[in-house]
Amino acid sequence: QTVVTQEPSFSVSPGGTVTLTCGLSSGSVSTSYYPSWYQQTPGQAPRTLIYTTDTRSSGVPDRFSGSILGNKAALTITGAQADDESDYYCLLYMGSGISVFGGGTKLTVL
Amino acid sequence: EVQLVESGGGLVQPGGSLRLSCAASGFTFNGYWMNWVRQAPGKGLECVAKIKHDGSEKHYVDSVKGRFTISRDNAKNSLFLQMNSLRAEDTAIYYCVRRVVTLKVFDHWGQGTLVTVSS
Repeated sequence: QTVVTQEPSFSVSPGGTVTLTCGLSSGSVSTSYYPSWYQQTPGQAPRTLIYTTDTRSSGVPDRFSGSILGNKAALTITGAQADDESDYYCLLYMGSGISVFGGGTKLTVL
Repeated sequence: EVQLVESGGGLVQPGGSLRLSCAASGFTFNGYWMNWVRQAPGKGLECVAKIKHDGSEKHYVDSVKGRFTISRDNAKNSLFLQMNSLRAEDTAIYYCVRRVVTLKVFDHWGQGTLVTVSS
């Protein structure tokens, strides 16, 4: 069974740039996996940030961007702010109607 | 504005049952697949069940097959999750989520309802 992998944790300085990745335990992520990204702050429901690799959801600041980097999907935050401190989850479409979440990355801004 | 409002969570003993509801508004409910996604305390997100826009297809994660039933009432813009034979490991926040099939994205989330299975 293929697992969706994410860094368990990451830290970034205020104003800095950070790239979180989303990979597969076996194989490479491409646009065919329709990567999407979700932000969850403590005590809140997830919020959709990015879908179909690089399309920002309505209202999402342009400091959030999505891409494919090498064999992984990536979420880049440029000019990180304190309220970007959250858990970030990626979702990959595996085909046959099945989508799988990664384990999430806890981002600290300090 | 799209709104998804869950209800029905609570404390239940192992082996018990609970029925979750989700009231949808602000969009054409019968045009979308709907999902239940759960999050155990301190854990990640897990897709539990999904249902086609007309209710003709339903799919479940293996761990809840035979115990949970997803359904919908398009006339009332409502989604349901009947949970039977509940186990401690079903303890989680359950989110009602809209999915856009063509984009493979969960694009709107409810605020969630907490289910606690404990004696």
